Amino acid sequence: NAGVTQTPKFRVLKTGQSMTLLCAQDMNHEYMYWYRQDPGMGLRLIHYSVGEGTTAKGEVPDGYNVSRLKKQNFLLGLESAAPSQTSVYFCASEKSGTSYNEQFFGPGTRLTVL
Amino acid sequence: GQNIDQPTEMTATEGAIVQINCTYQTSGFNGLFWYQQHAGEAPTFLSYNVLDGLEEKGRFSSFLSRSKGYSYLLLKELQMKDSASYLCAVKSGNTPLVFGKGTRLSVIA
Repeated sequence: NAGVTQTPKFRVLKTGQSMTLLCAQDMNHEYMYWYRQDPGMGLRLIHYSVGEGTTAKGEVPDGYNVSRLKKQNFLLGLESAAPSQTSVYFCASEKSGTSYNEQFFGPGTRLTVL
Repeated sequence: GQNIDQPTEMTATEGAIVQINCTYQTSGFNGLFWYQQHAGEAPTFLSYNVLDGLEEKGRFSSFLSRSKGYSYLLLKELQMKDSASYLCAVKSGNTPLVFGKGTRLSVIA
């Protein structure tokens, strides 16, 4: 059981470049989340998904797109990267939206946009 | 929206007890979580409270008062490995979890 994995672990982009971050989970969880974490700002929700084929906006969705074509995968796309998107990105999964279910986090992707 | 407050930093001595507070304002409260996050690593689940009272799990305990919008995480017999950030997160209704900014705890000898 790998849990939640993220690819890549590190990436440096130039302004205007695009990239996709991949999150995969092998726990058959319904819910998946993408967060960004910046110093002094805590974890902020970018987008989330409550099941295969569904996505919804979180607190800071601008500049990002997501897709959940398969239950086990949740992709985060940056179409035209900006320096303000320099951050650590965490993916998380949850069995369902029931209140008592904990979230399981991936190891994070450290992205720098120059 | 939700407003979650916790201290930015705390320092405590190895072997001591430390209490990390979290206050929140929300409607439709549906549970409060504590996560631990070591530097450079992912958050990991510590505890969940939905009813008033104390939940104990080894050296860690978490308390909730729904009427006061208040929770604390109590760490006993502090060890150097407890140096980490502690994140308070609140669930309201069916909306996604909202995290506080975290409390960075430094344990010193």
